[in-house]
Amino acid sequence: GQNIDQPTEMTATEGAIVQINCTYQTSGFNGLFWYQQHAGEAPTFLSYNVLDGLEEKGRFSSFLSRSKGYSYLLLKELQMKDSASYLCAVQDSNYQLIWGAGTKLIIKP
Amino acid sequence: DAMVIQNPRYQVTQFGKPVTLSCSQTLNHNVMYWYQQKSSQAPKLLFHYYDKDFNNEADTPDNFQSRRPNTSFCFLDIRSPGLGDAAMYLCATSRDRGSSYEQYFGPGTRLTVT
Repeated sequence: GQNIDQPTEMTATEGAIVQINCTYQTSGFNGLFWYQQHAGEAPTFLSYNVLDGLEEKGRFSSFLSRSKGYSYLLLKELQMKDSASYLCAVQDSNYQLIWGAGTKLIIKP
Repeated sequence: DAMVIQNPRYQVTQFGKPVTLSCSQTLNHNVMYWYQQKSSQAPKLLFHYYDKDFNNEADTPDNFQSRRPNTSFCFLDIRSPGLGDAAMYLCATSRDRGSSYEQYFGPGTRLTVT
């Protein structure tokens, strides 16, 4: 079966750095997406990785290792507005998105 | 601004009473998706349209139907809502299928079934 695993919840301090991990087992791989979802709102696109390595975009970076079936989202200089759920989604061989349940990130002052 | 619009934002319906949720997009994207998302769960894909081609997920109940009369609009019909259908319904679009085409989401419709 296809499976995406992420921690359910994480807590971090404002101004700090946090890494949210995602491991996946899918039938085929055509890229991995990270989305941010604030409570009661729709997901918004953060990043896309299809090749191994680190993609940096401002305070957010995303890393992929295809051989390990592993990705992480790194958030630097945390702000209170970063409190949200972060969803990992993998595009399988049929280009369908397989979604994780999301990691709820709580930022404390 | 180009966007994905969903109406209504909140919908209350009675058990067994048909309900229609609507989605429109000004992005001129080929693909439109309907997802169901329950609290603290992953979005669950119900259907998607690639242009006019309808694709139903194998585990989408027959109670759920969809229509895409033109490129801009897509509707989700729930023929006989049950209590278990209470959820957030998300409409999304992408320029095309595959590769790096991210999905753009509407704000969602939160459905309550009484």
